Amino acid sequence: DAGVTQSPTHLIKTRGQQVTLRCSPKSGHDTVSWYQQALGQGPQFIFQYYEEEERQRGNFPDRFSGHQFPNYSSELNVNALLLGDSALYLCASSFSGTGGSQPQHFGDGTRLSIL
Amino acid sequence: GESVGLHLPTLSVQEGDNSIINCAYSNSASDYFIWYKQESGKGPQFIIDIRSNMDKRQGQRVTVLLNKTVKHLSLQIAATQPGDSAVYFCAERPLSNDYKLSFGAGTTVTVRA
Repeated sequence: DAGVTQSPTHLIKTRGQQVTLRCSPKSGHDTVSWYQQALGQGPQFIFQYYEEEERQRGNFPDRFSGHQFPNYSSELNVNALLLGDSALYLCASSFSGTGGSQPQHFGDGTRLSIL
Repeated sequence: GESVGLHLPTLSVQEGDNSIINCAYSNSASDYFIWYKQESGKGPQFIIDIRSNMDKRQGQRVTVLLNKTVKHLSLQIAATQPGDSAVYFCAERPLSNDYKLSFGAGTTVTVRA
């Protein structure tokens, strides 16, 4: 039973570029959340996708956008990259049918470095 | 605003001793709390969770205690092993809202041989 998988594992971009990160949820999960984790900090919520729609958003600018596909996989897009976007981007999945009584499960993240 | 914080950023423990990691939260609406372990180069790994209708919950070598009166929770690890070396995060959210998890900054646990 595969857990949450993310790709790529590492990525190097320059300022102003655009990036797309991908996530496949744990088998049986239908909800995907994205988090940004700066070095030495706890993860910060970016947004969550359910039924192919953004359900809630954290305090992140519109440069951060996402998508969820019918197979529940998800993408995180970041436009006009800034040096401050360098971080570990984590995807977490959960199953909506538990009414929120189960924890989110995380992938190992994509390490994004902006030069 | 909401915040979840840990009392100490680092904890050094002798192998075989018990570890206690503390966390304070400020959101009174939170009623579901989770401890995660994050090893270097990995994502957060679920350890144990607890709902606000409980004071204590035990897992394998771990115990979580919740004190709602002072908005404090702790993670106890029995007989700490070298593999327990990691960063530990507490996270919280309302039980009915599986949206945003709020994390603290983490406690780095180092196990001494």
